[in-house]
Amino acid sequence: DSGVTQTPKHLITATGQRVTLRCSPRSGDLSVYWYQQSLDQGLQFLIQYYNGEERAKGNILERFSAQQFPDLHSELNLSSLELGDSALYFCASSPTSGTQYFGPGTRLTVL
Amino acid sequence: QQQVKQSPQSLIVQKGGIPIINCAYENTAFDYFPWYQQFPGKGPALLIAIRPDVSEKKEGRFTISFNKSAKQFSLHIMDSQPGDSATYFCAASIGGYQKVTFGIGTKLQVIP
Repeated sequence: DSGVTQTPKHLITATGQRVTLRCSPRSGDLSVYWYQQSLDQGLQFLIQYYNGEERAKGNILERFSAQQFPDLHSELNLSSLELGDSALYFCASSPTSGTQYFGPGTRLTVL
Repeated sequence: QQQVKQSPQSLIVQKGGIPIINCAYENTAFDYFPWYQQFPGKGPALLIAIRPDVSEKKEGRFTISFNKSAKQFSLHIMDSQPGDSATYFCAASIGGYQKVTFGIGTKLQVIP
């Protein structure tokens, strides 16, 4: 158990809909990262927050947005969902030194 | 732009063999190189990590070799076991609190 929690574990929704994925980092970790992992694909970095501020952006679509709240939990919002958005979404948190601790992921299925 | 190139993408070895996964990076500012292990349906977990001032690091059956001049590093798994079957990702980052760049991953299968 990494100490990072993600909810929900599974999410099934329809095209065009909007969903919110939630992540609680390890106690004391200020950085939160979001990744997308499609079937047989690597980890695609989406976005990083550090202590509430956006720190780095990766291949995040304009339909996706994220935020980190004062209690350091983070939410990833996915809107106008398409079939191709079906994937595992991981959150990771980090203290220092680049070591990231990953949550169990949210499996999103768009029908 | 793939800043960390990982090979091979898949690897099959027999139990007891020594699978080797290679990674190469371009950005000389990278100063932290972790390896992650991911089992199906689970999140990646940190396996072992190295900094460029060290040429080799061992943790149990896992060894990282690092060649700073060649900008390459590799993971060796000694006496591999079927339980080591997983996807392995190399990664690189610059300092603390920085974005980590991952390799494409290597799917390892260890057959009994």
